[in-house]
Amino acid sequence: GAGVSQSPSNKVTEKGKDVELRCDPISGHTALYWYRQSLGQGLEFLIYFQGNSAPDKSGLPSDRFSAERTGGSVSTLTIQRTQQEDSAVYLCASSLGPLSTEAFFGQGTRLTVV
Amino acid sequence: AQKITQTQPGMFVQEKEAVTLDCTYDTSDQSYGLFWYKQPSSGEMIFLIYQGSYDEQNATEGRYSLNFQKARKSANLVISASQLGDSAMYFCAMRGSSGSARQLTFGSGTQLTVLP
Repeated sequence: GAGVSQSPSNKVTEKGKDVELRCDPISGHTALYWYRQSLGQGLEFLIYFQGNSAPDKSGLPSDRFSAERTGGSVSTLTIQRTQQEDSAVYLCASSLGPLSTEAFFGQGTRLTVV
Repeated sequence: AQKITQTQPGMFVQEKEAVTLDCTYDTSDQSYGLFWYKQPSSGEMIFLIYQGSYDEQNATEGRYSLNFQKARKSANLVISASQLGDSAMYFCAMRGSSGSARQLTFGSGTQLTVLP
């Protein structure tokens, strides 16, 4: 596709359930980032993938959060045993490479844990 | 570790006037990039402009320009001839070139309101 695609756009889940959020980056982009944005707040870094290198997981807030990137393209962010504080917009971005002069975001997934 | 500081939580500007949004950064990398994004109330993150640390000229994109002062570690965004549609949250970000610094690090943002 032309841009970064995220699905679902909205997700409501019950506390304690697992959720999977998907990010489809721009074709050919080797760098992929996940961020979390709580209401009215800035962007909190979660994880960064670059090509086949080991991902930078330094931003994952707990072991309930994990992410993978298959075939260097699509990425899935998984949150296990969701808590109400996980409610936020989860944003994915991609760029051509680690030194690219542009990085583009998807529309985000709004996650609500009830 | 790298850090971005945006000291203006909110700014107001009159339509058709210019406005400067401040951004300072800190990094130990010699090579890095600076980005500005616009986030309107719809929530999408719109890429505006990029400045590389070795670029000698200030970046410009239409009504946006980046006032890059490397010695002062500042990368202010200048919006000329403000329009009502410029009202949004603006984020400054940087990306280093080594290890974990290659993640995009964001500032806390500045909420810009353009007044008619």
